[in-house]
Amino acid sequence: DAKTTQPNSMESNEEEPVHLPCNHSTISGTDYIHWYRQLPSQGPEYVIHGLTSNVNNRMASLAIAEDRKSSTLILHRATLRDAAVYYCILRDAGPDSWGKLQFGAGTQVVVTP
Amino acid sequence: GEEVAQTPKHLVRGEGQKAKLYCAPIKGHSYVFWYQQVLKNEFKFLISFQNENVFDETGMPKERFSAKCLPNSPCSLEIQATKLEDSAVYFCASSHGRPVGNTIYFGEGSWLTVV
Repeated sequence: DAKTTQPNSMESNEEEPVHLPCNHSTISGTDYIHWYRQLPSQGPEYVIHGLTSNVNNRMASLAIAEDRKSSTLILHRATLRDAAVYYCILRDAGPDSWGKLQFGAGTQVVVTP
Repeated sequence: GEEVAQTPKHLVRGEGQKAKLYCAPIKGHSYVFWYQQVLKNEFKFLISFQNENVFDETGMPKERFSAKCLPNSPCSLEIQATKLEDSAVYFCASSHGRPVGNTIYFGEGSWLTVV
């Protein structure tokens, strides 16, 4: 299974952007890049996903490198509610392992007022 | 319902006792997943269902763990003869189905403590 590498933690000031890097050098052509986050005492929450092109939604933006071996989740203006563990996950589109999310260790985002 | 509902929120069992967790997926979702989070950030996939059929059970410890999703009933995850290492948060999740972009929605988890 393809693995992801993320920094253990990142700090940001409130209202400032946060760039969360993720390395996935062994990504295969059928892997989608998904990001989930887990707020304290809650289940993981979907943030965004992409395959090759950059993606934007109301929560964040996802920038994917041209060779797809890395990606960056961008929170445009961090709020205190964004303090969470952010997981970068490769999700196989193949028929046998569809739906199985392989979580890594994630990045703990700390937002200071 | 509009969210994945898990019960109970907290469960304490003595070693060797049985534990049973329940999950009601979001209405209309045909896929259900169970995950185990042992340490703070470590998730382990256990099993998935497509409707009432097992879809992928590669993560299930076969000896003491079992799971079911029967029609018109909440899905369940049962642990026979619990061990201390079964202490974890168990998350249920559901999804509409393929294509792979479909979001997986998680419940708030059931905290199992084995003493």
